[in-house]
Amino acid sequence: QKEVEQNSGPLSVPEGAIASLNCTYSDRGSQSFFWYRQYSGKSPELIMFIYSNGDKEDGRFTAQLNKASQYVSLLIRDSQPSDSATYLCAVNGFRNTGNQFYFGTGTSLTVIP
Amino acid sequence: DAGVTQSPTHLIKTRGQQVTLRCSPKSGHDTVSWYQQALGQGPQFIFQYYEEEERQRGNFPDRFSGHQFPNYSSELNVNALLLGDSALYLCASSWTQGLYEQYFGPGTRLTVT
Repeated sequence: QKEVEQNSGPLSVPEGAIASLNCTYSDRGSQSFFWYRQYSGKSPELIMFIYSNGDKEDGRFTAQLNKASQYVSLLIRDSQPSDSATYLCAVNGFRNTGNQFYFGTGTSLTVIP
Repeated sequence: DAGVTQSPTHLIKTRGQQVTLRCSPKSGHDTVSWYQQALGQGPQFIFQYYEEEERQRGNFPDRFSGHQFPNYSSELNVNALLLGDSALYLCASSWTQGLYEQYFGPGTRLTVT
């Protein structure tokens, strides 16, 4: 079983719609959860992080965390073509490993104009 | 505020050679982590340096080694290069006393022929 799992997609949404990206993790001891955006050929860019159960909003982005279900999601409202990228879910705090991050394989998002 | 920097941007090496990649962390950060990202995969953790010592290590052979300098910059060394070492090598920095958000540099694209 992979430690962090994401649907690889591709996920396609029309411009202006809500894009929903999902991630599950295996270790209940995980403490911190992150979403990165990665454009083709570029490095990952941190867009959201969440530590507590519930929702966290930042502009058009909302991260949702449910530790009981071991589930993290990212909602992108009013999706724009510039949001087309691969979105990586990252988790740390596995088994007292502190600052070590585990990444999913990413979900490819395409926003259609 | 300077972000994470890496050098070189691209590198082509021959199988069996050795390579050194360099990273300077974001201002105010004291911890450097190195990742390998193969095409279509999420970043895989190689190791992490803090206070000039390797603190954690992922599932990589000891051909992969590193160093951290007093100014927090870091090097990744790979010996006896294999074709399978071709990947994007990412450096990420963070602040140990913070909440572990990691910020990535632009990466070094290594091609082994």
